[in-house]
Amino acid sequence: EADIYQTPRYLVIGTGKKITLECSQTMGHDKMYWYQQDPGMELHLIHYSYGVNSTEKGDLSSESTVSRIRTEHFPLTLESARPSHTSQYLCASSGYRKGSPLHFGNGTRLTVT
Amino acid sequence: TQLLEQSPQFLSIQEGENLTVYCNSSSVFSSLQWYRQEPGEGPVLLVTVVTGGEVKKLKRLTFQFGDARKDSSLHITAAQPGDTGLYLCAGARSDSWGKLQFGAGTQVVVTP
Repeated sequence: EADIYQTPRYLVIGTGKKITLECSQTMGHDKMYWYQQDPGMELHLIHYSYGVNSTEKGDLSSESTVSRIRTEHFPLTLESARPSHTSQYLCASSGYRKGSPLHFGNGTRLTVT
Repeated sequence: TQLLEQSPQFLSIQEGENLTVYCNSSSVFSSLQWYRQEPGEGPVLLVTVVTGGEVKKLKRLTFQFGDARKDSSLHITAAQPGDTGLYLCAGARSDSWGKLQFGAGTQVVVTP
């Protein structure tokens, strides 16, 4: 069973719309991440958080923003969606120890038309 | 430039055959993880290797971490259709605490 939940699973939206991708985990993990995944490409880290009120940008520049007001919740927001934002977005969490394995959600497939 | 190079990118084999997937880098990793991802799902951890030269076995899957901790391999013996999936390696560097670097993955298809 999934301990980390992402909604929606699929989203098709027009250019210029504001969207929020939801991610929640029930494992009490301090660390949470957002990755972007495109076919044939490595997972790119776009945001991460080490705990409440902590957010950092990842290795891949992204126009999205995140917030971490509660330990279990790490939503990602795009203020104005563009076709270049079309991708698979994966949320993950991990324990605090360095090198702890990631627990991934099932992803949100975003298509911007 | 990818920090972790996986090869091959795609592998299609018959049930019962053996296969090996490689993960190579010029960087040293404090640990390396292997994940498998099935369509419509997120990656799921298979194994973590920490010590250079370490070999771990998970049923028909054998994972090896290179002596210099720069490379790893995954060997599947007598592959089954249930082994089909995208295999991802991910390395943890000591200078990027908590962040993993992923390879682009190897898509494995095992046909009956």
